[in-house]
Amino acid sequence: GAGVSQSPSNKVTEKGKDVELRCDPISGHTALYWYRQSLGQGLEFLIYFQGNSAPDKSGLPSDRFSAERTGGSVSTLTIQRTQQEDSAVYLCASSFTRAGGQSSYEQYFGPGTRLTVT
Amino acid sequence: AQSVAQPEDQVNVAEGNPLTVKCTYSVSGNPYLFWYVQYPNRGLQFLLKYITGDNLVKGSYGFEAEFNKSQTSFHLKKPSALVSDSALYFCAVSSFSGGYNKLIFGAGTRLAVHP
Repeated sequence: GAGVSQSPSNKVTEKGKDVELRCDPISGHTALYWYRQSLGQGLEFLIYFQGNSAPDKSGLPSDRFSAERTGGSVSTLTIQRTQQEDSAVYLCASSFTRAGGQSSYEQYFGPGTRLTVT
Repeated sequence: AQSVAQPEDQVNVAEGNPLTVKCTYSVSGNPYLFWYVQYPNRGLQFLLKYITGDNLVKGSYGFEAEFNKSQTSFHLKKPSALVSDSALYFCAVSSFSGGYNKLIFGAGTRLAVHP
């Protein structure tokens, strides 16, 4: 079946502009995660969704970052007033929810969106 | 606080030789441990996990890892390396607190397998 997809694959933007990154999780996966991969910081957790709610936003680096999820499926990560330090690969992952409400252990990652802020 | 250390930036191995990629961790409570592999311009692919049970876990592509609680290690191994194994490998830990899997990753180790 189809895996996690992300769009765009590459995004170049000017400093100060807003960007939206999209993630389509695997159908039926109710848990969704965003991570950021950058040279200086490695792979960092950003936010976790269960359905449409985000019980853990602890990794969002500033209030310029926000994310939403609608219909328990597609998620959008928005970065406002982008800065050069936001340049990174943004990865989305999804996993299914087991009986009892816990997320499964394995996460399935998308190919990422490479964001370059000039 | 949880953390993962991958002490080697790069590991070089000749094809056909055994390989080891090292990982140590720090977590309060029971650790949930994972290995992921990343090929160029691709997302992360799940290789294997340790949740509970046998300390030796087997995963995809002939990889295995050994959980050592006393040494807080979870080294990735393969008996015979292939050139196609060349990639970036990440170790990750989670406490699974709250019933979800917030992964904390190591810095990654680049594996280069030479013909």
